[in-house]
Amino acid sequence: KQEVTQIPAALSVPEGENLVLNCSFTDSAIYNLQWFRQDPGKGLTSLLLIQSSQREQTSGRLNASLDKSSGRSTLYIAASQPGDSATYLCAVIGGNTPLVFGKGTRLSVIA
Amino acid sequence: DTEVTQTPKHLVMGMTNKKSLKCEQHMGHRAMYWYKQKAKKPPELMFVYSYEKLSINESVPSRFSPECPNSSLLNLHLHALQPEDSALYLCASSRPSGSGNTIYFGEGSWLTVV
Repeated sequence: KQEVTQIPAALSVPEGENLVLNCSFTDSAIYNLQWFRQDPGKGLTSLLLIQSSQREQTSGRLNASLDKSSGRSTLYIAASQPGDSATYLCAVIGGNTPLVFGKGTRLSVIA
Repeated sequence: DTEVTQTPKHLVMGMTNKKSLKCEQHMGHRAMYWYKQKAKKPPELMFVYSYEKLSINESVPSRFSPECPNSSLLNLHLHALQPEDSALYLCASSRPSGSGNTIYFGEGSWLTVV
């Protein structure tokens, strides 16, 4: 059974710092990995999707990497801003299994 | 348009009530999902519809009854719920499930059972 782990569970950084969120998964037979952002009381916003054949994807200040063989992904956020404060969720899709989520990383960016 | 629309945004219902949550998308997606999310927890899969047919039921109690009347709509009928069913219910859609395409979520419906 696929398990997804996210480290750290919570992170607080000053504005302007670059930061890395980590995600690991136990079964490397995945189709893709998706990073989401969730603001308090809101739904999920898709940030980046990495297909299993890809190594990384970039969108603005966000860069996500995938090392399928080792079961790891990272989300890099450059020049963090207070508006980046949210919970970031990593999720994987494999075979006939829809998204399996990690427990998320709660990010606070302090002005 | 990458929008999944859920109504109502908030719902309070008694344990003997019957209510429904609705979800709509116009992206041509043929896979639609219901997830349940409790506070400070990740979303948990409830149901998956693929081409309007129920393909996955994650052992959800029968007091939750999904329905997919057409390729754009997904409903979740609620009856005789318990207070522990209070949660955020998220709808999502994608191209056919299992093909590894981006999954888009709605804003969710907050359900409180009293």
